[in-house]
Amino acid sequence: NAGVTQTPKFQVLKTGQSMTLQCAQDMNHNSMYWYRQDPGMGLRLIYYSASEGTTDKGEVPNGYNVSRLNKREFSLRLESAAPSQTSVYFCASSEALLGGYEQYFGPGTRLTVT
Amino acid sequence: AQKITQTQPGMFVQEKEAVTLDCTYDTSDPSYGLFWYKQPSSGEMIFLIYQGSYDQQNATEGRYSLNFQKARKSANLVISASQLGDSAMYFCAMRPKAGSYQLTFGKGTKLSVIP
Repeated sequence: NAGVTQTPKFQVLKTGQSMTLQCAQDMNHNSMYWYRQDPGMGLRLIYYSASEGTTDKGEVPNGYNVSRLNKREFSLRLESAAPSQTSVYFCASSEALLGGYEQYFGPGTRLTVT
Repeated sequence: AQKITQTQPGMFVQEKEAVTLDCTYDTSDPSYGLFWYKQPSSGEMIFLIYQGSYDQQNATEGRYSLNFQKARKSANLVISASQLGDSAMYFCAMRPKAGSYQLTFGKGTKLSVIP
């Protein structure tokens, strides 16, 4: 039972390049999330998927797209990377929306855009 | 606007002592949830404890307890009998209203446990 896995762990991009961050969970959770964490900041929500087949914008969606491929997988795409997107990206999942259903996080992807 | 404030950028505590990490929140919805997460230097986010706005009692999980003062809009984390492994960043987070998928995070408190 791996929980939430993310690939890659580290990535360096040049400005304008594109890439996709992959996330998978094996807990049969309905909801999945993408966050970014910048130095000295808490996590900020980029996009989320309440259930398979749905996606919605979070607090900082500009410059990103997402795909909920199936119940297990939720990917984040940067179409044209910018230095402002240098950050640590976390994927998370949760069982449901109501009550104390905490979000379980992956190990993170450290992305640098030069 | 929904907001989480952690006013202590850094805290020190002696090993085996108790420590309180502060968190205040702001939401206009009566149904909300409060969470604490730990982020060690390795980077992963670890869920510690949850408090619902309608819960009558303060949440406890092992050495962690949440001092929930609804009228003051505060949800402080208390760690008893601190251990060296408790050294980490601690984040308070809020689900600001019923039906919201979003967690709003504070900026965190860096806790250092001194032997």
